[in-house]
Amino acid sequence: DQQVKQNSPSLSVQEGRISILNCDYTNSMFDYFLWYKKYPAEGPTFLISISSIKDKNEDGRFTVFLNKSAKHLSLHIVPSQPGDSAVYFCAASGGDSSYKLIFGSGTRLLVRP
Amino acid sequence: GAGVSQTPSNKVTEKGKYVELRCDPISGHTALYWYRQSLGQGPEFLIYFQGTGAADDSGLPNDRFFAVRPEGSVSTLKIQRTERGDSAVYLCASSLRASVTAGELFFGEGSRLTVL
Repeated sequence: DQQVKQNSPSLSVQEGRISILNCDYTNSMFDYFLWYKKYPAEGPTFLISISSIKDKNEDGRFTVFLNKSAKHLSLHIVPSQPGDSAVYFCAASGGDSSYKLIFGSGTRLLVRP
Repeated sequence: GAGVSQTPSNKVTEKGKYVELRCDPISGHTALYWYRQSLGQGPEFLIYFQGTGAADDSGLPNDRFFAVRPEGSVSTLKIQRTERGDSAVYLCASSLRASVTAGELFFGEGSRLTVL
């Protein structure tokens, strides 16, 4: 039973355009959501996060949107750059286990020059 | 080093053998976590240490898996009687405090285990 789902295993976009990565969750106890970026042979690195009390958080080229009623969040990258090519994981935490992250299966983003 | 260090980076073993994977967290980080990432999947939680004690080991798949952190710093994940299904990348992470909000969790590069 996957509590965090990333239904698109891959995404390809042109450099300079917007990349939109989607994530759905099922557990209403989740109150914090994070995006991690992973390059090959490296560990995941934190990118951006959002609390459930907000619906948007922006950091430079990266914006995360949260729709609690739909249990859906998305990561927007604009403009996309070739260096953004990586696997992006959505993760959630909450309830009594705020230390534990539940990850989605990831979306591989390719930004074409 | 400044980051989370994991050794070995790669381990190939035969079915039925015993394996140890080591994690050296960021200095001063009291919380330490082990995750496992299978091919095509996201990381899955295995165990969480606060100091020397395992505060939550609910993610360990069975009793062949065990982890220790005797002095509250370095941790070792031990796998007995390895099976082919144990093949995965084992990720260690550490944080200054238990809550993982705001990107406070730092991952190592992982130990890739292959069981033949």
